[in-house]
Amino acid sequence: GENVEQHPSTLSVQEGDSAVIKCTYSDSASNYFPWYKQELGKRPQLIIDIRSNVGEKKDQRIAVTLNKTAKHFSLHITETQPEDSAVYFCAVSGGSYIPTFGRGTSLIVHP
Amino acid sequence: DSGVTQTPKHLITATGQRVTLRCSPRSGDLSVYWYQQSLDQGLQFLIQYYNGEERAKGNILERFSAQQFPDLHSELNLSSLELGDSALYFCASSVEPDGGAPLHFGNGTRLTVT
Repeated sequence: GENVEQHPSTLSVQEGDSAVIKCTYSDSASNYFPWYKQELGKRPQLIIDIRSNVGEKKDQRIAVTLNKTAKHFSLHITETQPEDSAVYFCAVSGGSYIPTFGRGTSLIVHP
Repeated sequence: DSGVTQTPKHLITATGQRVTLRCSPRSGDLSVYWYQQSLDQGLQFLIQYYNGEERAKGNILERFSAQQFPDLHSELNLSSLELGDSALYFCASSVEPDGGAPLHFGNGTRLTVT
């Protein structure tokens, strides 16, 4: 099956800084790469996704980049705010694979 | 609101008991996934149903079983409960069977086994 590694496990930044979280995957047949945000005690919610035919996608302060050759994709958050503090999960799916999640990154934004 | 409904929100039960978790998917979604999230852990895939049929199975214990009914709601049955089964159980639904579309998560059922 698919193997997804996510780094770092914890990321602490100052408000206004940028944050980058990276995920690597093992199967080149995977073609859908979503990111979910989970606030404490709440359900994961999709924040952005990208498909294998696109290299980059941006939505306001959030962007995702995909390197198919190297089999990794990254979440970029610019101008971080305290409300960005949460656990972020990457996922990989498509083809014959069910969605496989990374272990999560706890982002802490200090005011 | 994701449109996915999970009941109950909380369950407290004793070791050895059996419980049933229920999930109603978002309108129009045929695919239902069950995930387990233990404290400080990620989302562990348990099982997937698509249009009433089991489609994929993860590391689901033999003590656990699930089904999807004709109206597309799903139930996860956990039996002979152990302390280690305490976790947050999420149901998610999607329009596609192969994971190529976003998952819409319910608010979860928090199971505490004492």
